[in-house]
Amino acid sequence: NAGVTQTPKFRVLKTGQSMTLLCAQDMNHEYMYWYRQDPGMGLRLIHYSVGEGTTAKGEVPDGYNVSRLKKQNFLLGLESAAPSQTSVYFCASSYYWDSPDPNTEAFFGQGTRLTVV
Amino acid sequence: AQTVTQSQPEMSVQEAETVTLSCTYDTSESNYYLFWYKQPPSRQMILVIRQEAYKQQNATENRFSVNFQKAAKSFSLKISDSQLGDTAMYFCAFMIKAAGNKLTFGGGTRVLVKP
Repeated sequence: NAGVTQTPKFRVLKTGQSMTLLCAQDMNHEYMYWYRQDPGMGLRLIHYSVGEGTTAKGEVPDGYNVSRLKKQNFLLGLESAAPSQTSVYFCASSYYWDSPDPNTEAFFGQGTRLTVV
Repeated sequence: AQTVTQSQPEMSVQEAETVTLSCTYDTSESNYYLFWYKQPPSRQMILVIRQEAYKQQNATENRFSVNFQKAAKSFSLKISDSQLGDTAMYFCAFMIKAAGNKLTFGGGTRVLVKP
């Protein structure tokens, strides 16, 4: 049972390049999230999904797009990378709130460190 | 807007002593979960403790306990008998059912345990 897996772990991009971060979870969770972590600002929500085929904007969505074509995968895309997108990116997943599991929590991937030069 | 505030950017504590981390939050919702997550240098996010808002009793997990004051919207974490392995960033967060189960995080508190 791998939990939440992010690919890649590290990446350096040039300004204007594009890339896709992949998040995969094997826990059959309905909810998936993409966060970015910057020093002193905690984790800020970029986009999230409440189920296959659905996505919604979070707190800082500009410059990012997402897709959830399969329940287990949530992709984060940067179409034209900018230095302001240098950050550590975390994917997370969780059960639907009304699920019978009383141990509600979000499970996180190991993070992707992205540098845009 | 839902917000979480951690007013202590850094704290240090001697090994075996106790440290308390502060967290306040703001929401008009009544149905939510509160969490403390630990992030060691490995960068992995690890759940330390959770509290359901409708439960009066404060949650405890071994050396970790919380003081949940719902009316004051306060959720502090106490680490007892601090160990060197407790050195990490600690994030307070809450999850609101009405907001799509989104986790909203505070800015974090860096805890350094000194030998």
